[in-house]
Amino acid sequence: DAGITQSPRHKVTETGTPVTLRCHQTENHRYMYWYRQDPGHGLRLIHYSYGVKDTDKGEVSDGYSVSRSKTEDFLLTLESATSSQTSVYFCATTTGAGDIQYFGAGTRLSVL
Amino acid sequence: GENVEQHPSTLSVQEGDSAVIKCTYSDSASNYFPWYKQELGKRPQLIIDIRSNVGEKKDQRIAVTLNKTAKHFSLHITETQPEDSAVYFCAASLNYGGSQGNLIFGKGTKLSVKP
Repeated sequence: DAGITQSPRHKVTETGTPVTLRCHQTENHRYMYWYRQDPGHGLRLIHYSYGVKDTDKGEVSDGYSVSRSKTEDFLLTLESATSSQTSVYFCATTTGAGDIQYFGAGTRLSVL
Repeated sequence: GENVEQHPSTLSVQEGDSAVIKCTYSDSASNYFPWYKQELGKRPQLIIDIRSNVGEKKDQRIAVTLNKTAKHFSLHITETQPEDSAVYFCAASLNYGGSQGNLIFGKGTKLSVKP
């Protein structure tokens, strides 16, 4: 599965607490993405990265920030989690824009 | 920006029948159209993709067709089997020049194949 590891796989947290999700890849892929998946909405892009320290916003970026200090790691941070951020979060990587995206196993986040 | 609509949202077929899922896109410049399958509790996985210079692509029981004029593309699964039961997502992206080629996904179709 393209060597993509997401951690943690499950997390329960309280409203207002900070949360960081990690995506680690061993494929040396240049592009990395964070999506959230909610019933009835499919996969929606939160943020993406096209290189180390190069990131940009996606469709649903409010309340989220990202960082990419090295090729293999892409971090998604919820500075102050809200119940609306309860979701399943997927990381994906690809060698180049328009190439096949490979997905991690996902992180199920519950904000109580 | 690009918008992708997918129909139907649910589809139930008998084993052995064919299944067709349709997607429309809004940006006529989009040129890459992948299909992903997601089994319950699993990650999305690519099953087939097509680029705008091709009208049809087949891989065993799966085929994708693209109509650029009408801006729609379809997934065809023949001789369906129970293991085809999953949620299927279409997507579209624009890949040239300065475009980052981000995928825009449809909302998914839940396919159920009854034995």
